[in-house]
Amino acid sequence: DAKTTQPTSMDCAEGRAANLPCNHSTISGNEYVYWYRQIHSQGPQYIIHGLKNNETNEMASLIITEDRKSSTLILPHATLRDTAVYYCIVRSPAGKLIFGQGTTLQVKP
Amino acid sequence: ETGVTQTPRHLVMGMTNKKSLKCEQHLGHNAMYWYKQSAKKPLELMFVYSLEERVENNSVPSRFSPECPNSSHLFLHLHTLQPEDSALYLCASSQERGWAYEQYFGPGTRLTVT
Repeated sequence: DAKTTQPTSMDCAEGRAANLPCNHSTISGNEYVYWYRQIHSQGPQYIIHGLKNNETNEMASLIITEDRKSSTLILPHATLRDTAVYYCIVRSPAGKLIFGQGTTLQVKP
Repeated sequence: ETGVTQTPRHLVMGMTNKKSLKCEQHLGHNAMYWYKQSAKKPLELMFVYSLEERVENNSVPSRFSPECPNSSHLFLHLHTLQPEDSALYLCASSQERGWAYEQYFGPGTRLTVT
């Protein structure tokens, strides 16, 4: 499975959009991009996943570049409860979820 | 109850004790997983069960013994653990279908080995 690169940490003002980038330049054609988040000392929470089209659900939007080498998770109106570690994972259909260090997002009042 | 539940939420055990962690999923999924998360480290996959058969064992020491009696329940039996086994143990489940499926995690059991 392809490796991902994420910034170690980011800040976002409450009520503003949080844009979390992820680079996955070695992604293969059949690999999906998944996003999970983990609030302190809780289990990870699935957010969204996509293959090549942009995706949106009640939690977030996922924008994948046309060459699929990078993606951005967008939380449209961040709240204090969105403070968490966000993991970007690239995974093949039969592959495992391999968690890296993720991006620690701090939403500030 | 909905989702994935784990009991106990906290466990302190000595190195000579035997204990078990329990996971139950109420989502009708057919695959279950055990992960370990040590302090300041990424999650590590330990075991995978698909349709109640163990399909993956990531070089986990034999002092950890999983059991999956049915598709809704998963256990992790612990014996003669070491202090470095202190960690957050997470259970997850998924419905394996097609090309992509998401995993749903429980809240975890915080294990301390003294």
